[in-house]
Amino acid sequence: GNSVTQMEGPVTLSEEAFLTINCTYTATGYPSLFWYVQYPGEGLQLLLKATKADDKGSNKGFEATYRKETTSFHLEKGSVQVSDSAVYFCALKPGDKIIFGKGTRLHILP
Amino acid sequence: SAVISQKPSRDICQRGTSLTIQCQVDSQVTMMFWYRQQPGQSLTLIATANQGSEATYESGFVIDKFPISRPNLTFSTLTVSNMSPEDSSIYLCSVVGGFGETQYFGPGTRLLVL
Repeated sequence: GNSVTQMEGPVTLSEEAFLTINCTYTATGYPSLFWYVQYPGEGLQLLLKATKADDKGSNKGFEATYRKETTSFHLEKGSVQVSDSAVYFCALKPGDKIIFGKGTRLHILP
Repeated sequence: SAVISQKPSRDICQRGTSLTIQCQVDSQVTMMFWYRQQPGQSLTLIATANQGSEATYESGFVIDKFPISRPNLTFSTLTVSNMSPEDSSIYLCSVVGGFGETQYFGPGTRLLVL
């Protein structure tokens, strides 16, 4: 079946550190892949997406590359800020319904 | 992208009562979804609501507990009936936009049941 596995949090980093949040998936066919972010007290916002193999999604300094050979879609950012503190959800959409990972809480210390 | 608003943004309710949550979208959409996010958890799909047909519920969710209306292509309501403290969650409305691959979410309704 289809599923998403992402690294468990919380992840705590200092400001300006390099960030990686791992995400791997299991799917039949060629799903679209997404990262969503949920800031404290808010709903989900689409952060970036990739719709086919080798596509790179990017937004707000975050990047993720659709790697079909490793079934991964790791989220990276070169230099995090305190304002990036949030919960990050990896997701895949093989058909009509989107499937979410469990979320990774990120704390950035000043 | 789609702009989605929800009312109310939060509420505190008594056990045994019901709450209706409204979802308004700024464009016409075919498929609308309702999710629940329990504290510290990921999102769980409650049901899919298509205009002109009955909602399709996921395993573990029933129409008597979560009745849904979808009167037109821009609006839907979710009612949480006969509430108990276990219903305390964030309830999110969602739609598919663009070419059908991207899902957008409303800001959520934060419900606390005492």
